[in-house]
Amino acid sequence: DTAVSQTPKYLVTQMGNDKSIKCEQNLGHDTMYWYKQDSKKFLKIMFSYNNKELIINETVPNRFSPKSPDKAHLNLHINSLELGDSAVYFCASSQVNGEQFFGPGTRLTVL
Amino acid sequence: DQQVKQNSPSLSVQEGRISILNCDYTNSMFDYFLWYKKYPAEGPTFLISISSIKDKNEDGRFTVFLNKSAKHLSLHIVPSQPGDSAVYFCAASVGRGSTLGRLYFGRGTQLTVWP
Repeated sequence: DTAVSQTPKYLVTQMGNDKSIKCEQNLGHDTMYWYKQDSKKFLKIMFSYNNKELIINETVPNRFSPKSPDKAHLNLHINSLELGDSAVYFCASSQVNGEQFFGPGTRLTVL
Repeated sequence: DQQVKQNSPSLSVQEGRISILNCDYTNSMFDYFLWYKKYPAEGPTFLISISSIKDKNEDGRFTVFLNKSAKHLSLHIVPSQPGDSAVYFCAASVGRGSTLGRLYFGRGTQLTVWP
């Protein structure tokens, strides 16, 4: 009975490809996030959505485009993948004043 | 420009002893602090938090101490158990939820508790 789920768990792809990572939460939360954990282990926020509306958009290349079809889903689409995009991507959700619950992560490897 | 710093990448403690994990921050606007715990191949899970109006918050074996003047917080685990072995992330925000969840994370400390 996973609270925040992500698919796929692992993603290996070639440079230049386009890929998507899906995230779903069944907690009834209003806010969802995408984080990137790079090779130096820093966890940095990329985007957040509240009720399907983009709230936080950090300095992220516009090759990254989040899509929120409904409150329970926040997908991340990445165009023209580059070597530097290799990282672990975490989805999270929360109520507005609540703690964030994280998904298990998607390890993206760009070859 | 890391606003939250965990300067010890690792800590090794014997079972039953106290584990003390440290965290420093630079942004004086931060007023809400959290600790997350992460096992391999899993996402971070919320452990404990503290508001800047307090200097201590306790939850079972876990206690977080906040020293605002030093811009320093610490997580104490007493007694430490082997199951506590994980990466611990310190995080901070300006206002709990007021910026809709913008958390700033440290890079984590790997805690190993040995029998």
